[in-house]
Amino acid sequence: DIQMTQSPSTLSASVGDRVTITCRASQNIRDWLAWYQQKPGKAPKLLIHRASGLQSGAPSRFSGSGFGTEFTLTISSLQPDDSATYFCQQYDTLTTFGPGTKVHIK
Amino acid sequence: EGQLVESGGGLVHPGESLRLSCATSGFTFSSHALSWVRQAPGTGLEWVSIISGSGDNTYHADSVKGRFTISKDSSRSTLYLQMNALRAEDTAVYYCVRSDCDNIFCRLFVSWGQGTLVTVSS
Repeated sequence: DIQMTQSPSTLSASVGDRVTITCRASQNIRDWLAWYQQKPGKAPKLLIHRASGLQSGAPSRFSGSGFGTEFTLTISSLQPDDSATYFCQQYDTLTTFGPGTKVHIK
Repeated sequence: EGQLVESGGGLVHPGESLRLSCATSGFTFSSHALSWVRQAPGTGLEWVSIISGSGDNTYHADSVKGRFTISKDSSRSTLYLQMNALRAEDTAVYYCVRSDCDNIFCRLFVSWGQGTLVTVSS
């Protein structure tokens, strides 16, 4: 099975900050990587597909990059509405999710 | 985008069975694979099962293989998950999820229901 890790597990940043979350795969997944945002008590929402494709309706301050085993999600200017947990997902071989990164607003 | 509405969750004892339903609308039911993804309290996401748009192909995660069965009723645009021999570790919110294409290799999850809670406890 492909294992996914994320770092950091939590982060705290101020409104307007640039925030970066890292996701690593235990083997090469090419660019079959997605990012989801989940707010408390709600279902996850797709933000990024194929590592860097912005999902329709997702704010343009979100961007993704990477290929192979290392990927990043960047929020260019953190907003209060971005307080959430972010999960990466590989869908190269079956599918597995990362453990999540909780983003707090200072 | 479409809508997915789960139902059928509840409290059951270990070893018992439960059937979850997911009523769908707003998209072509046969054109999208559908999955169940679960999330144990306070933890991450685990994909459970997937069924193709046609209903001809299914796949289950090893953790539920032989106990859970995914199915669909196209006349009702409804997805099901039959869960047998439930264990405490099956306790989770179960989400009904739509993929971006129609076969069981389509595992990009573009639309999610609100989830239904299954609690397995004695």
